[in-house]
Amino acid sequence: DTGVSQDPRHKITKRGQNVTFRCDPISEHNRLYWYRQTLGQGPEFLTYFQNEAQLEKSRLLSDRFSAERPKGSFSTLEIQRTEQGDSAMYLCASEEVLNTEAFFGQGTRLTVV
Amino acid sequence: AQTVTQSQPEMSVQEAETVTLSCTYDTSESDYYLFWYKQPPSRQMILVIRQEAYKQQNATENRFSVNFQKAAKSFSLKISDSQLGDAAMYFCAYRSASTSGTYKYIFGTGTRLKVLA
Repeated sequence: DTGVSQDPRHKITKRGQNVTFRCDPISEHNRLYWYRQTLGQGPEFLTYFQNEAQLEKSRLLSDRFSAERPKGSFSTLEIQRTEQGDSAMYLCASEEVLNTEAFFGQGTRLTVV
Repeated sequence: AQTVTQSQPEMSVQEAETVTLSCTYDTSESDYYLFWYKQPPSRQMILVIRQEAYKQQNATENRFSVNFQKAAKSFSLKISDSQLGDAAMYFCAYRSASTSGTYKYIFGTGTRLKVLA
């Protein structure tokens, strides 16, 4: 088990382009979380899944953001029409339902130019 | 809504000394978990220690211990015998334990810990 894997590690995109990030959680983990972290700040909640069901989505998440976990395994986070304010580290974490500990990936650093 | 506050943006400690990082939180729930996570520079976040709110005994993990004051809604982290490898951002986090609540983690803004040789 290699832990939570995120791809890509870095992404530079032009304003207005769409980007998609992938997260592969630890295999037996039912819950999967997406967070956004800007420099010097704590992780900010975006959304989470339990299996394939998206149970909560932050009100801060605009309609340009969408996340999926189609088969309850990996997840994707898509940002449409990127803006410079979207530049941040996007973190994925997974958790086993019966064990309260979130394991984090190394994140995807997005730079919008 | 629950909130987590870390009022110390940065702390320094001499190697081998002890340091305490502060965290306060606000919630109306009675059943929850509190965590300290460590984020080294350019590396992933890892769990340092976890406390269940229903347990009165403070959690300890080797050199790391907490002072959990439920009534005061305070949750501080004590690092003893500080080592150079302890240098990192430390985040305090809250998660509901209620089956009718949300299971999202709520993080504070973090404390940067510097360890001086």
